[in-house]
Amino acid sequence: DGGITQSPKYLFRKEGQNVTLSCEQNLNHDAMYWYRQDPGQGLRLIYYSQIVNDFQKGDIAEGYSVSREKKESFPLTVTSAQKNPTAFYLCASSIGQARNTEAFFGQGTRLTVV
Amino acid sequence: GNSVTQMEGPVTLSEEAFLTINCTYTATGYPSLFWYVQYPGEGLQLLLKATKADDKGSNKGFEATYRKETTSFHLEKGSVQVSDSAVYFCALKDQAGTALIFGKGTTLSVSS
Repeated sequence: DGGITQSPKYLFRKEGQNVTLSCEQNLNHDAMYWYRQDPGQGLRLIYYSQIVNDFQKGDIAEGYSVSREKKESFPLTVTSAQKNPTAFYLCASSIGQARNTEAFFGQGTRLTVV
Repeated sequence: GNSVTQMEGPVTLSEEAFLTINCTYTATGYPSLFWYVQYPGEGLQLLLKATKADDKGSNKGFEATYRKETTSFHLEKGSVQVSDSAVYFCALKDQAGTALIFGKGTTLSVSS
């Protein structure tokens, strides 16, 4: 089955720790994205990558980092610099950056700071 | 900048009622427009899309028409079911094609 796999589904982080959220896709898509979802705020773009070894900051990149060493993988690290990391994180991919191409989403990771 | 505005929810309907969720957008040029649906605890699924003015997207009884003159893409369904209860997101992708820009979402609750 082709799709996007995010892991883990639930993640708990202590104050001051870095954590990494995994995102893997087997759709052979070039573009990948990370969004953050908070209640009542919709989805906000954290980082995106249009091609391997290249990525760009989105609207709320502070306190986050990413890498794109392989086409299939786009991990997101939530650093201790992120002041309010508790949220639902969604990874997505699309076949390209053309305006008529939709994004496909993973099932999400819920991160909670304890 | 580009943005999407959706009607605030929650929207509460009885089964078989008519549904409209309003969506308007601000964008330069000619964006593509999308509706996504999110069930509790899950990711988003594409519901329908339209890529040019006057296009109608449709899927599973849902429809939306790309109206450039009113910069709108309202979602409609003639007869909702309990299983339609979810959060609905309107989104656009502009000509630069950077990434999808989402509205804040509208929660729909359908009771039997």
